[in-house]
Amino acid sequence: DAMVIQNPRYQVTQFGKPVTLSCSQTLNHNVMYWYQQKSSQAPKLLFHYYDKDFNNEADTPDNFQSRRPNTSFCFLDIRSPGLGDAAMYLCATSREPTDQPQHFGDGTRLSIL
Amino acid sequence: GENVEQHPSTLSVQEGDSAVIKCTYSDSASNYFPWYKQELGKGPQLIIDIRSNVGEKKDQRIAVTLNKTAKHFSLHITETQPEDSAVYFCAASDGRDYKLSFGAGTTVTVRA
Repeated sequence: DAMVIQNPRYQVTQFGKPVTLSCSQTLNHNVMYWYQQKSSQAPKLLFHYYDKDFNNEADTPDNFQSRRPNTSFCFLDIRSPGLGDAAMYLCATSREPTDQPQHFGDGTRLSIL
Repeated sequence: GENVEQHPSTLSVQEGDSAVIKCTYSDSASNYFPWYKQELGKGPQLIIDIRSNVGEKKDQRIAVTLNKTAKHFSLHITETQPEDSAVYFCAASDGRDYKLSFGAGTTVTVRA
């Protein structure tokens, strides 16, 4: 009955080799978020989509991009992963962008060789 | 921007005892305060939330209190069980934008 589904759960890529992480939701929420979470830290917001409007955080590296082809799906593209990009990547959704609970998926653990 | 501080960073309690985690926030405009539980290898799970027009909210063994004047809110877990062992994050939102400002997290260990 997962409502925010992330695939794959574990991803290994090589230094500099592009990688795409995916997220889907069955909640029909308007907003989808991507977070990066490193060990023993709180999630850090990378960007979010409010419907089709893309919003990038000021400190999100240019290396990170996102696509949202429809309401249900959102993708995180890392163009040239560096060792520092190894982390857990979390997708979340909310009905509206403010004052609303965010519902998280179980994340994709990205390792860089 | 909003700054949320969370204490303690680690908490060890005996099974059956209570656990309390405290957070303070800086932006008096903040009006939404969720708490998340994150188990190892999983995403954060919303366990309870409170809005600024409410001082206390309870859901079974979990309760949250909010003191707007002092700008702090707390999570209370009663009759702790081993399955309560996890990392807990508090967060705050000012309602003007989409951001949740998270605390640094508290690792709770319940000893059997």
